[in-house]
Amino acid sequence: GQNIDQPTEMTATEGAIVQINCTYQTSGFNGLFWYQQHAGEAPTFLSYNVLDGLEEKGRFSSFLSRSKGYSYLLLKELQMKDSASYLCAVRDLSYNTDKLIFGTGTRLQVFP
Amino acid sequence: EAQVTQNPRYLITVTGKKLTVTCSQNMNHEYMSWYRQDPGLGLRQIYYSMNVEVTDKGDVPEGYKVSRKEKRNFPLILESPSPNQTSLYFCASSLRSGAADTQYFGPGTRLTVL
Repeated sequence: GQNIDQPTEMTATEGAIVQINCTYQTSGFNGLFWYQQHAGEAPTFLSYNVLDGLEEKGRFSSFLSRSKGYSYLLLKELQMKDSASYLCAVRDLSYNTDKLIFGTGTRLQVFP
Repeated sequence: EAQVTQNPRYLITVTGKKLTVTCSQNMNHEYMSWYRQDPGLGLRQIYYSMNVEVTDKGDVPEGYKVSRKEKRNFPLILESPSPNQTSLYFCASSLRSGAADTQYFGPGTRLTVL
């Protein structure tokens, strides 16, 4: 079956670093995405990992370990505008399909 | 401006009254998809289309229909809506066939079925 787990909520302070973890179980794994979603808005793309390792993009980095079924999103120098939900999503090619499976999201609150 | 549009943005309807939510993209994307988002359940894929005339079920297809007659349009049809289909719906598209590419999401349609 398919299962994606991420913490429901996290809090952090402006200027700090926060790591949001995502673990997954899927038989047809072929890449992992992170999306950001502000309240009442559509998700927007942050990062994509298909190979093991770290992808860095400005203040945001994403890491993948396929053998462990594990990813994290690292946010540095937190700003108030980073308060949002962060969605982990896995591309699943099992049973001859091509689907995107989302976790339930992690709501991050950044305090001054 | 490159975008995904959905209409209507808000809809309140009654059980059993057929409705269609339109989705259109102007980026010549091959892959299009519909999701519903519910509190505590996250985004769940309803249907997706890898190209014109090619559609497939996502994780929660029951009670929904789609069609892909043209590359740019991917309407979502609820033949007989029920209250458990009350949700926030997002259409998304990506450049290449398959889910490997970045998904661009529409603004969402908030549907209430009474």
